[in-house]
Amino acid sequence: DTAVSQTPKYLVTQMGNDKSIKCEQNLGHDTMYWYKQDSKKFLKIMFSYNNKELIINETVPNRFSPKSPDKAHLNLHINSLELGDSAVYFCASSQAGVASGNTIYFGEGSWLTVV
Amino acid sequence: GDSVTQMEGPVTLSEEAFLTINCTYTATGYPSLFWYVQYPGEGLQLLLKATKADDKGSNKGFEATYRKETTSFHLEKGSVQVSDSAVYFCALESQGGSEKLVFGKGTKLTVNP
Repeated sequence: DTAVSQTPKYLVTQMGNDKSIKCEQNLGHDTMYWYKQDSKKFLKIMFSYNNKELIINETVPNRFSPKSPDKAHLNLHINSLELGDSAVYFCASSQAGVASGNTIYFGEGSWLTVV
Repeated sequence: GDSVTQMEGPVTLSEEAFLTINCTYTATGYPSLFWYVQYPGEGLQLLLKATKADDKGSNKGFEATYRKETTSFHLEKGSVQVSDSAVYFCALESQGGSEKLVFGKGTKLTVNP
């Protein structure tokens, strides 16, 4: 069983479209995240949710809107896609955040290409 | 703010060579430190971690020691294999209630037979 699963794995879409990436974790964790990895492999957090509540929003454009229907799911909606949104998006989860060295478990990534 | 600096890659080694990937950090307090690995076409996996000074994390033959005095967490392996080819990320737990990992820029390792 995959601990953190995200779909789709690959997504190619045109500029201006709206798309969603879904994420589910079966680890019973309270905290979920979205990270973005750019073309140079640089990883940076976008959002963090704890028990369905937004904890971190790292100055991400408001075209990006996370939605957490329950603590096992954190979906990412992106409106009006731009070329610069092309990246790999990683969903992740942890028990009660990263404090005290809690491990973050990552999904396999969603490769988004905007053309 | 908190930051992580890794040695620039790419790193290319022959099989059975010794590996060191340097990582230093800037942070307030004493954050937990992590190494994650990303194999080609895959997501991130935790390789090892250390939660306090002088702790040594180890896994799959890799080791890293939390050095408070030098603010470092260098990754080492005595004998690399072709299957170790991947991108390695050093990360720290950002404190102050922000609940996030701050990553270095990653170091790509290629091991040739």
